[in-house]
Amino acid sequence: DIQMTQSPSSLSASVGDRVTITCQASQDISNYLNWYQQKPGKAPKLLIYDASNLETGVPSRFSGSGSGTDFTFTISSLQPEDIATYYCQQYDNPFTFGQGTRLEIK
Amino acid sequence: QVQLVESGGGLVKPGGSLRLSCAASGFTFSDYYMSWIRQAPGKGLEWVSYISSSGSTIYYADSVKGRFTISRDNAKNSLYLQMNSLRAEDTAVYYCARDRFRVLWWGQGTLVTVSS
Repeated sequence: DIQMTQSPSSLSASVGDRVTITCQASQDISNYLNWYQQKPGKAPKLLIYDASNLETGVPSRFSGSGSGTDFTFTISSLQPEDIATYYCQQYDNPFTFGQGTRLEIK
Repeated sequence: QVQLVESGGGLVKPGGSLRLSCAASGFTFSDYYMSWIRQAPGKGLEWVSYISSSGSTIYYADSVKGRFTISRDNAKNSLYLQMNSLRAEDTAVYYCARDRFRVLWWGQGTLVTVSS
């Protein structure tokens, strides 16, 4: 199976900061990568699909980029409601998630 | 709107069995792949299994292969996960999810606890 290495595992930032999370695949997955946000006690929410496409209704401060093995997820200006754990997920072969990044407010 | 409601979770002893169900509504169930995804307490997400719309294509994670069986009843708009030979490491919230490549719709999850 393809391994997804997500970093950092935790991150503390201030409101208004630009936040970046990376995800590296163990082999080329083209753009078969999604990003999810999960708040405590809730199911994950899809934010970005196919590496860079913003899901309908998701604020434009969220973005994704990359292809092949290296991917980046960015929040351009951190808001208090963005406190959550973020996961990347590849769907090339078959489906695996990164280990998650816990985002906290500084 | 799309709704996925899981049931069947609970406390079971190691080696025991449990059957999870997912009742789907708000979409044409028979048109979609369906998945089970789990999350151990305080841990990350693991794709457990998926099944094609007709039931002809099935995937299992290595961690559950040979112990878990996914199935569906399109007439009842329902998805199932039969879990046998349960282990402590199967303790998790199990989510029913629509689709396979990317999941837009999730159930609320049902907790399975494997403990003596």
